Amino acid sequence: AQSVTQPDIHITVSEGASLELRCNYSYGATPYLFWYVQSPGQGLQLLLKYFSGDTLVQGIKGFEAEFKRSQSSFNLRKPSVHWSDAAEYFCAVGLSYGQNFVFGPGTRLSVLP
Amino acid sequence: GAVVSQHPSRVICKSGTSVKIECRSLDFQATTMFWYRQFPKQSLMLMATSNEGSKATYEQGVEKDKFLINHASLTLSTLTVTSAHPEDSSFYICSARERGGNSPLHFGNGTRLTVT
Repeated sequence: AQSVTQPDIHITVSEGASLELRCNYSYGATPYLFWYVQSPGQGLQLLLKYFSGDTLVQGIKGFEAEFKRSQSSFNLRKPSVHWSDAAEYFCAVGLSYGQNFVFGPGTRLSVLP
Repeated sequence: GAVVSQHPSRVICKSGTSVKIECRSLDFQATTMFWYRQFPKQSLMLMATSNEGSKATYEQGVEKDKFLINHASLTLSTLTVTSAHPEDSSFYICSARERGGNSPLHFGNGTRLTVT
């Protein structure tokens, strides 16, 4: 069965520092890959997605993610973190765009001033 | 862009009562809606998939008689938590998929349910 792992439960970075959130998946084929962000008490917001093509994907709020097939990974990166980026980040995989997803457990990001 | 409205955002109810949560697609028709539950500090767990005009498909371990889902129209799905208990307290989120083969999922802002 498909699964998604996010090895880091909680990450703390200083404002202005770079960020990388890890995501690994187990799937029978190359799935559609997504990163979502959830602010406290809020719903999910789509940051970016990968279906095919260029393995480096640009998203909103300055985020990017790189799909590495050989590592079954889809890590999220941001070169310079802002205090407003403090939230919970979920990696998700699906069979197709709009297919219900398997979510990772999430990584909580704290940002130090 | 496409918006999913979820109402109420917060609700407090007493044990034994029922609570209805609405999920509306405001500017698109949603053939499929999904209901998730989030326990504190955990990821989202899919509860059920709701298709317009047909019965919902529940995930293993989700009690269909306790969590009633109705998808009566292409813009509205409801989740009713029946005979609520404190352990039902949680954050519930819906998502809706637009019609079309390559359509995105849109998420509501969630409902915080507290059962006292």
